[in-house]
Amino acid sequence: GEQVEQLPSILRVQEGSSASINCTYENSASNYFPWYKQEPGENPKLIIDIRSNMERKQTQGLIVLLDKKAKRFSLHITDTQPGDSAMYFCAASGNSNNRIFFGDGTQLVVKP
Amino acid sequence: GPKVLQIPSHQIIDMGQMVTLNCDPVSNHLYFYWYKQILGQQMEFLVNFYNGKVMEKSKLFKDQFSVERPDGSYFTLKIQPTALEDSAVYFCASSRGLVNTLYFGAGTRLSVL
Repeated sequence: GEQVEQLPSILRVQEGSSASINCTYENSASNYFPWYKQEPGENPKLIIDIRSNMERKQTQGLIVLLDKKAKRFSLHITDTQPGDSAMYFCAASGNSNNRIFFGDGTQLVVKP
Repeated sequence: GPKVLQIPSHQIIDMGQMVTLNCDPVSNHLYFYWYKQILGQQMEFLVNFYNGKVMEKSKLFKDQFSVERPDGSYFTLKIQPTALEDSAVYFCASSRGLVNTLYFGAGTRLSVL
C-alpha cells in the first residue's frame, strides 16, 4: 500500500471559508511531516512542517495537527483566499534509512 | 531561502535521443532527488542519491535512466534513449539529511516528440 495517503484529491471552497486536507501514514517511526504548496507552473515550496514532539502548529493562517496514535496529520487553512488555490502535498519521513514519502496531492480551488 | 537550480528550464528532443538534465543542489546538502510530474498530478519519486551512490530508485527509474554527480558538480539525470512517455516536468530536490526539508528546483519541462 501507499506509504502516505492524502484526501481529498480535489477540494473546492468558497472564499473566506476554511479548508482541510487529511493525510495518513504507515510507518510509525515517521517523525517529520512537511506540507508543500505548488502553484501552477511552479515548484513545490514548503509552507509549514511539524515534528512528532508536537501535536499542533500554527503560522499565518495555517494550522497543522498531528495524531501519532492514529498516524494521521492534517492541514487546515483558515479564511481561504483565491491566492490559496494551488496543489498541496503532505509528506512524511523519519526513519534514518527511509526517505520522505509524499501524498498524491490535493488540488484546492478557492472560489471568489 | 536555499535555492536549487535546474538547467535547462525546457528541453525539446526527438524520441530516441539522449537528454541530460542538470541540477545544482544547495551547497551544504548531502541528499539529492529526482521527481517526475505529469501536468498537475502527483510528484512521482524516481531516485535518491547520497555519497556518490544511488540509495533507492522506483519502478519509474527505468534502465534507460542514470544519475551521477561527478566531482561534486551538477547532479544529473540522463535518459538514453528517450521515449514519448518520458515527457513530463522533472524536479530536482536536495536536503541536508533524509529527515530534513526537501528544497525543489524550478523543474525542467521535457518534451519528447
